[in-house]
Amino acid sequence: NAGVTQTPKFQVLKTGQSMTLQCAQDMNHEYMSWYRQDPGMGLRLIHYSVGAGITDQGEVPNGYNVSRSTTEDFPLRLLSAAPSQTSVYFCASSPSYYGYTFGSGTRLTVV
Amino acid sequence: ELKVEQNPLFLSMQEGKNYTIYCNYSTTSDRLYWYRQDPGKSLESLFVLLSNGAVKQEGRLMASLDTKARLSTLHITAAVHDLSATYFCAVDGDDKIIFGKGTRLHILP
Repeated sequence: NAGVTQTPKFQVLKTGQSMTLQCAQDMNHEYMSWYRQDPGMGLRLIHYSVGAGITDQGEVPNGYNVSRSTTEDFPLRLLSAAPSQTSVYFCASSPSYYGYTFGSGTRLTVV
Repeated sequence: ELKVEQNPLFLSMQEGKNYTIYCNYSTTSDRLYWYRQDPGKSLESLFVLLSNGAVKQEGRLMASLDTKARLSTLHITAAVHDLSATYFCAVDGDDKIIFGKGTRLHILP
């Protein structure tokens, strides 16, 4: 049972490049979310999903897209990377009302 | 809009002492979570509080929830160095889970 798997673990992008952060869970959880963590800011919600085909915006959605075509996968797309998107990104999943299980994170640097 | 505030944001304390971390939130919710994060690591679930008056304990940590006051506390009893970490509370509001900024706890030997 792998839990929540995020790839890649580290990534360096140039300003303007696009990329997709992958997130997969094998626990059949309905709820999935993406957070970014910056020093002194805690975790801020980017986008979340309550089931396949259903997504919604969180606190800081600008510059990011998501889709949820299957229960297992919830990729996060950066459309045109900016230095302000340098952060640690966490994906998390939950079976509903029991709190999240977090992935190991992706450390992204935009230069 | 749901806001979650933790205080203090930084706490340095000596081993053997007791202390409490506070988590206030702005809108009605009866589901609150506490997480621990070690430096450079992911978040680990500590407590899930699902109703008013809920109290959970694990070792030297005890969490409680007062939904009427919109307040949760994480109490540390007789702190030990191994409890040094950052602690986050998170509140469930309309399918979104919003986090506080975290309390960085440093326990001195």
